[in-house]
Amino acid sequence: NAGVTQTPKFRVLKTGQSMTLLCAQDMNHEYMYWYRQDPGMGLRLIHYSVGEGTTAKGEVPDGYNVSRLKKQNFLLGLESAAPSQTSVYFCASRTDRDTGELFFGEGSRLTVL
Amino acid sequence: GQNIDQPTEMTATEGAIVQINCTYQTSGFNGLFWYQQHAGEAPTFLSYNVLDGLEEKGRFSSFLSRSKGYSYLLLKELQMKDSASYLCAAIDSNYQLIWGAGTKLIIKP
Repeated sequence: NAGVTQTPKFRVLKTGQSMTLLCAQDMNHEYMYWYRQDPGMGLRLIHYSVGEGTTAKGEVPDGYNVSRLKKQNFLLGLESAAPSQTSVYFCASRTDRDTGELFFGEGSRLTVL
Repeated sequence: GQNIDQPTEMTATEGAIVQINCTYQTSGFNGLFWYQQHAGEAPTFLSYNVLDGLEEKGRFSSFLSRSKGYSYLLLKELQMKDSASYLCAAIDSNYQLIWGAGTKLIIKP
């Protein structure tokens, strides 16, 4: 059972470089989320999607873009990485918005030099 | 604004009981989650409460008081493997999750 899979798990970037994080889920979930987690802070929502072809901004969307072309995939892009984007990124999915628990990927640790 | 408060760190002894508190202030309320997160790993689901009262699941129980904006997670018969961070998250009126910063629980032998 794969669940939610994130790639890559680790990445080091130089300031100004671009990259894409891929999240794939095999549970047929409608809702998908990208969070970042920094020391001493709660999970902060970057962007989310309520279904294929839809995306919406979360709490901290600046500097990130997302796409949900297929239901099972949710991509997070950094067009021009900045040191402030050094963080651990978690993708999560859930079946519905009301009571469905979130299933998280293993996380992607990104360092921007 | 919306806010979740939980203690930053707690220490307990193996075999004992510990209660981790969480208070929330959200625009509307549609339930509360507790998640466990071991260092370097993803959060994993522990419990969901939407009605007042206590939900028991093995060694872990979660309590909710909607009128007080308060929840707690109770861990019994503590084991070393329970050393982790415990995250509280409330669901607001837009069905968005508002996360606390987490409580790091240290278990000592």
